[in-house]
Amino acid sequence: SQELEQSPQSLIVQEGKNLTINCTSSKTLYGLYWYKQKYGEGLIFLMMLQKGGEEKSHEKITAKLDEKKQQSSLHITASQPSHAGIYLCGAAQFRKTSYDKVIFGPGTSLSVIP
Amino acid sequence: DVKVTQSSRYLVKRTGEKVFLECVQDMDHENMFWYRQDPGLGLRLIYFSYDVKMKEKGDIPEGYSVSREKKERFSLILESASTNQTSMYLCASRRRAGTVEQYFGPGTRLTVT
Repeated sequence: SQELEQSPQSLIVQEGKNLTINCTSSKTLYGLYWYKQKYGEGLIFLMMLQKGGEEKSHEKITAKLDEKKQQSSLHITASQPSHAGIYLCGAAQFRKTSYDKVIFGPGTSLSVIP
Repeated sequence: DVKVTQSSRYLVKRTGEKVFLECVQDMDHENMFWYRQDPGLGLRLIYFSYDVKMKEKGDIPEGYSVSREKKERFSLILESASTNQTSMYLCASRRRAGTVEQYFGPGTRLTVT
């Protein structure tokens, strides 16, 4: 079965610093999702990547999927306290009934110190 | 605006009690999901429903059941709550299979004592 690993497990950065979170899959990714979760709340969809080498940006957050489609990175430029939370990557899995589900990585906890 | 609501933010129940967690979405979505979230384990899928009265087991269905009598409502049932079911429970919905985005509710933090 496919598994997702995230690194680092947690991160504390000074406001204004850049940071990167990585997501690695044991199998080829057919769709890679990034979500953000504020502590104690539900998940907010950030972006989805499907093609090898694809890169997407949303405000100061940029996500990339490598050419082999087994690793994705999430990069935050000039971090702000509003970026604090848990970042989760998710991978789409296709089933024989054509129904797909998403499996999630364990998450990376980000704290931004003002 | 898209909205997924869950009946309670916090819930405390005793071992052996029957527990109902309710989830409602107002987007006419076909698919709905129940996850539990535990530190270090991420989100794990308990059950999902791809249409009314349809349900399918996820990765950890043991000890849980679900009900979807109406399109907008998906209920998670703990027949006899146990302490190892203490967790954060998240409901999500999606327009249909193959679409990208899942919309999540705020979560219910359940404690079983």
